[in-house]
Amino acid sequence: DAEITQSPRHKITETGRQVTLACHQTWNHNNMFWYRQDLGHGLRLIHYSYGVHDTNKGEVSDGYSVSRSNTEDLPLTLESAASSQTSVYFCASSERVNSYEQYFGPGTRLTVT
Amino acid sequence: QKEVEQNSGPLSVPEGAIASLNCTYSDRVSQSFFWYRQYSGKSPELIMSIYSNGDKEDGRFTAQLNKASQYVSLLIRDSQPSDSATYLCAAMGANTGNQFYFGTGTSLTVIP
Repeated sequence: DAEITQSPRHKITETGRQVTLACHQTWNHNNMFWYRQDLGHGLRLIHYSYGVHDTNKGEVSDGYSVSRSNTEDLPLTLESAASSQTSVYFCASSERVNSYEQYFGPGTRLTVT
Repeated sequence: QKEVEQNSGPLSVPEGAIASLNCTYSDRVSQSFFWYRQYSGKSPELIMSIYSNGDKEDGRFTAQLNKASQYVSLLIRDSQPSDSATYLCAAMGANTGNQFYFGTGTSLTVIP
């Protein structure tokens, strides 16, 4: 069955370290999104991509970067982790046309100490 | 005004009752709306999408869109304890491609 996976599921890192969170989908969806979820803020968009080599900044992109070298993967990199980036991170994907519905991965809980 | 707003609740209903969840939206979103359910510690799961004014039914769930009043609702009939979760309302941005704006969610508890 097609799916979307994220790894690692849990990560503890230290302030200042570079961290990369992986997102892989097998639906062949063109659109992929990264969100963070924090109490009181709901889901906020970090970065998104509409296809290979396309990346765009979302509402809370500072300190994060993404790259899209193939359809299946959109890794999220924290350049220099900060305590404010402690959060739960979700990846999602959707088709480009016919359906705008986004489907979410299981999430990564990141703690920055 | 935020793009999408929800009452955070918590909302409690007895088992078997109808749970009504509401969401209002601003002019900065398009006419495409989505309801997600999120259990504690899990990822959001799509329940329904609605694009046209009126009602859309899927099993025990009914989504309602009222463009004139700028609100979208989710009704859950015959509520079950397994429906206890946080429900997220989402809307696609009006001029932002396929980006979604999410409400902060409404916590629902169904009491046996």
